[in-house]
Amino acid sequence: GAVVSQHPSRVICKSGTSVKIECRSLDFQATTMFWYRQFPKQSLMLMATSNEGSKATYEQGVEKDKFLINHASLTLSTLTVTSAHPEDSSFYICSGVGSGTSGGVYNEQFFGPGTRLTVL
Amino acid sequence: GESVGLHLPTLSVQEGDNSIINCAYSNSASDYFIWYKQESGKGPQFIIDIRSNMDKRQGQRVTVLLNKTVKHLSLQIAATQPGDSAVYFCAESFTGGGNKLTFGTGTQLKVEL
Repeated sequence: GAVVSQHPSRVICKSGTSVKIECRSLDFQATTMFWYRQFPKQSLMLMATSNEGSKATYEQGVEKDKFLINHASLTLSTLTVTSAHPEDSSFYICSGVGSGTSGGVYNEQFFGPGTRLTVL
Repeated sequence: GESVGLHLPTLSVQEGDNSIINCAYSNSASDYFIWYKQESGKGPQFIIDIRSNMDKRQGQRVTVLLNKTVKHLSLQIAATQPGDSAVYFCAESFTGGGNKLTFGTGTQLKVEL
């Protein structure tokens, strides 16, 4: 299967600072990437959908000015949590959907390993 | 709100027994369903999927059953092993939905030796 990486895997920051999380598709071109947030013992909640080269589409209740998403290339999407507060502490997971380098099309979402954000 | 104090439903099974994890989905338009396994601190891992034109699909040690009438999905794991201990989520999507997935609440599977 295709591989998605995230960086960093863990980050601790002070309240009020901004944090950037990177999501990379390593062996396929992700035309669409999704960002999820997961609180302890809860399910994954979709935050936004990002298509390469266009603005992200945010789910209801997700502040687009607080969670900035950039999908500038077919292998990289970034999520920036601006002015982070303790309530933003969560596990952030990205996934990618797209075409493989062989030209085959995956409709399966391939998930990254997640980034644990802790805001002090 | 409803999210305060949530805990995942837990299924405890003996090693070697079969496990059945259930999921109720909400959207009658959903036509594609996936089961994921998530170990602590990791991202979801694809287990098996099924489309709405089928009611059963088998993989290696896993079987997914789909009952569209009652919007119910189940995952059966044969001969459960300690390495199967994880949280299991079902997810649904629909054609024309832009590949968006809606995840269920999850079930914690604990395998006892």
